Amino acid sequence: DVKVTQSSRYLVKRTGEKVFLECVQDMDHENMFWYRQDPGLGLRLIYFSYDVKMKEKGDIPEGYSVSREKKERFSLILESASTNQTSMYLCASSFFQSSYNSPLHFGNGTRLTVT
Amino acid sequence: AQSVTQPDIHITVSEGASLELRCNYSYGATPYLFWYVQSPGQGLQLLLKYFSGDTLVQGIKGFEAEFKRSQSSFNLRKPSVHWSDAAEYFCAVGAASGYSTLTFGKGTMLLVSP
Repeated sequence: DVKVTQSSRYLVKRTGEKVFLECVQDMDHENMFWYRQDPGLGLRLIYFSYDVKMKEKGDIPEGYSVSREKKERFSLILESASTNQTSMYLCASSFFQSSYNSPLHFGNGTRLTVT
Repeated sequence: AQSVTQPDIHITVSEGASLELRCNYSYGATPYLFWYVQSPGQGLQLLLKYFSGDTLVQGIKGFEAEFKRSQSSFNLRKPSVHWSDAAEYFCAVGAASGYSTLTFGKGTMLLVSP
């Protein structure tokens, strides 16, 4: 069974800190995604990657960057955390380019609080 | 651009009663459509998907959904709800060609009363 592991379940950081959210998948998936989930707003795509060292902006990339140095690992970086980045962050992966043939597999999320 | 509307933020259903969660999509071509469920403290799990063929699709956990092109809808149904179905449900749409990312609706929280 596909496993997507997010390194932290809960994280509390201070405003201005540099924050790393880590995600690892164990099924050799090509594609990896970072979503942000907020009440009443659903899931919004921050960044995605379809190959090592490749990245694409999603709908809300401002204030975030990503790194994919290895196929199995996709990191979300908050260069200078702000309180409006307090949220639940979900990582997902999929195998094929087509979303139909390869549904997203999600991690359990990291709840980040920025104080 | 593709978009998804889930008109109901919360729905409360009695255990054993039937359920229908609404989803309307906007997409210029043939869409891929999905329903995901998120149990408390968990990530999202795929319930079912649709691209073509029979407009009534069956999924896991006894759920089904019906695609109606004329209404741009993809509503999720279950004939008899169990307390364990209490969760948040997300409808999503993806493009049918090229590289595809999913656009999610804002979700519907299902509460099950005894």
